[in-house]
Order: sequence, then C-alpha cells, then structure tokens
Amino acid sequence: EPEVTQTPSHQVTQMGQEVILRCVPISNHLYFYWYRQILGQKVEFLVSFYNNEISEKSEIFDDQFSVERPDGSNFTLKIRSTKLEDSAMYFCASSDTGGATQYFGPGTRLLVL
Amino acid sequence: SQQGEEDPQALSIQEGENATMNCSYKTSINNLQWYRQNSGRGLVHLILIRSNEREKHSGRLRVTLDTSKKSSSLLITASRAADTASYFCATDVDNAGNMLTFGGGTRLMVKP
Repeated sequence: EPEVTQTPSHQVTQMGQEVILRCVPISNHLYFYWYRQILGQKVEFLVSFYNNEISEKSEIFDDQFSVERPDGSNFTLKIRSTKLEDSAMYFCASSDTGGATQYFGPGTRLLVL
Repeated sequence: SQQGEEDPQALSIQEGENATMNCSYKTSINNLQWYRQNSGRGLVHLILIRSNEREKHSGRLRVTLDTSKKSSSLLITASRAADTASYFCATDVDNAGNMLTFGGGTRLMVKP
C-alpha cells in the first residue's frame, strides 16, 4: 500500500541553525500538507500546498518557514533559523483531492538545543 | 470549547468491551476524520465521514456524525489490547484550504 515517507526520523540541531525536513508524498497525490505536534499537545496545521503554491497557512507558519516541491516527488519544509520552541514532531501529509482523506507520514522528531 | 474537542480525555476498558469516544466542533465542516496515534508515532487514518453522511462503518469501527449538534462519535467494538492508543478527530472546515483542525484526543487503554 502506498505511504507517505519522511526523512530524517530524528533531527537534533542548535538554535539558530537551518533545518530541512523532507517528505515523499503518495505518488498520485496533488495536495500536500505540513503539521506539527509539540510534545503532549494537539496536532497543529502549518501549511497546505497545491499546484506549486501555498493554498493556506497558519499563524505558526511565519517568515522562518518555507515549503518547496523541488522535483516531482519530494516536498520539503525549511525552518530558516530554528528556535527552542520549534522542537516538535513534524508530520507531512498528502491527499489526492481537496477535502479527501489526508495520509500522514511517520513524522520527523526535531529537537532544537 | 475549541474546534474538534474529544471526550473523554482518557478511557480505560477491559478487552472485549466497546469503547465510545465523542468529538464536538463549532463551525461548518466539509468532513470529519478520525485518526489513531500510538505513543510517539505517526497518525493512522481510520475513517472519513462527509458532512452529508450520518454513519459509516469500517470493520470494528463505527462513526456517526450529527451536524445539527456539531458532534461525532467513534465506537470501537470488541476492543483488543492492540487498540490501546490515542484517538483524534480532525475537522476539515469549509473554505479553509483543506486544513485539518485536530482535537486534543482521547487516550484509550484496553486492558488484557
């Protein structure tokens, strides 16, 4: 069964460093998403992406964040200058159409020291 | 309450019993999705119910949706120890770019 994959599974970085989290969505899906979950808290929406542009973003997704689909298979989330409060599990998701089931990847656990 | 709030926050039952979890939300939705998460792991999609549907089944799962009350329930029948996890409802709100708004989840423990 097709699935969303994410790399790395864990990332430790120093405050102020840039990180890039990578995702490979399900191959025939057209809508892509990033969510995050701070330990012990709710899953929070960050951004949705369709047709090579952002379709929606949350207040969390400020100028420090960016997304890119650099080729036909990868979808990346970049955090330009990480803060301690960026420590969280980051989930990528994809769906074939808008309003359809969103399939989540296993997540990348980011720890900012 | 916030969009997508589950009730109860925690539930402990014996294997073989049924588990019912509820979700309430505030705004008009396109659909409501239920997910499961084992501790520290990814989100596994369980079932999607659209705003024009009232009930859906998938194996031992039964989901209902009452749009007049803005609530949904997830019933797991004949529970197993392997059902132990956190369960989340997530709402796809009208005109919100397909973003999902998650509730805080119900932590289910099924004792063998």
